[in-house]
Amino acid sequence: GAGVSQSPSNKVTEKGKDVELRCDPISGHTALYWYRQSLGQGLEFLIYFQGNSAPDKSGLPSDRFSAERTGGSVSTLTIQRTQQEDSAVYLCASSHQRGPYNEQFFGPGTRLTVL
Amino acid sequence: DAKTTQPPSMDCAEGRAANLPCNHSTISGNEYVYWYRQIHSQGPQYIIHGLKNNETNEMASLIITEDRKSSTLILPHATLRDTAVYYCIVRVGGGATNKLIFGTGTLLAVQP
Repeated sequence: GAGVSQSPSNKVTEKGKDVELRCDPISGHTALYWYRQSLGQGLEFLIYFQGNSAPDKSGLPSDRFSAERTGGSVSTLTIQRTQQEDSAVYLCASSHQRGPYNEQFFGPGTRLTVL
Repeated sequence: DAKTTQPPSMDCAEGRAANLPCNHSTISGNEYVYWYRQIHSQGPQYIIHGLKNNETNEMASLIITEDRKSSTLILPHATLRDTAVYYCIVRVGGGATNKLIFGTGTLLAVQP
C-alpha cells in the first residue's frame, strides 16, 4: 500500500520567508511525527501528534516552528521567518499506536535550503 | 540526549555476518530497544525491536544481554544494499509520547 508521502521533495527559499511542508501519513495511522536532519547529523525529534490528544511539541527549536494536523490525517509543518540554520531534511513518520510497540514508517523527507 | 552508544563506523565483507553493537547501560525495565537504518538519501527504516528476549525476523536478529545493558544487531548475510547508518534506540516515554531519540548511529560499509 501507499507509504508516507511528503511534499515538496525540495524547497529553496530566501532567508526571512515562511515555508509550509506537508505530510500525508499512512491511512489509519493515528500517530504522526516530525523530525529534522541537518547535514551530517542524526535525526532530531520536533513534534508528535496522537489522535485528539494535545501534541508533544517539546522538540520544536523555536516559536518560529509550528505544526498542525487536520482531521487526524494530513499534517503541515510551518517555519516562519526562515533562517539559514533551518536548512535540513524534514522527515515525517506515522505509526499505529498499539501498546508499547512503535514501528514508525518514514517518508522520503523534504530538503529545505534557506539561502 | 540519546541513551545509547554505538561505534561510528564498521566494515563488513559481502556475504558475511555483520554484528553491530550497542550499549544502553541506563535502560529502564520497561524500555524497548529498537533498531532502524537509514540508507543514503532515504528516510529511516525500521528493522527490529526487543525487550528482553532475543528476536529474529526476515531482516535481522537482535541479541540482548541478560542485564539488558547492551545488544547486538546481526545481519546474517550482508549485501551491498545493507550499506547504511544503523541506529540503536531506546524508546523514551510511555503512552503519552513515543518519540524516537536518534543518536549518531553506526555507518556500516559492506565491501564487495
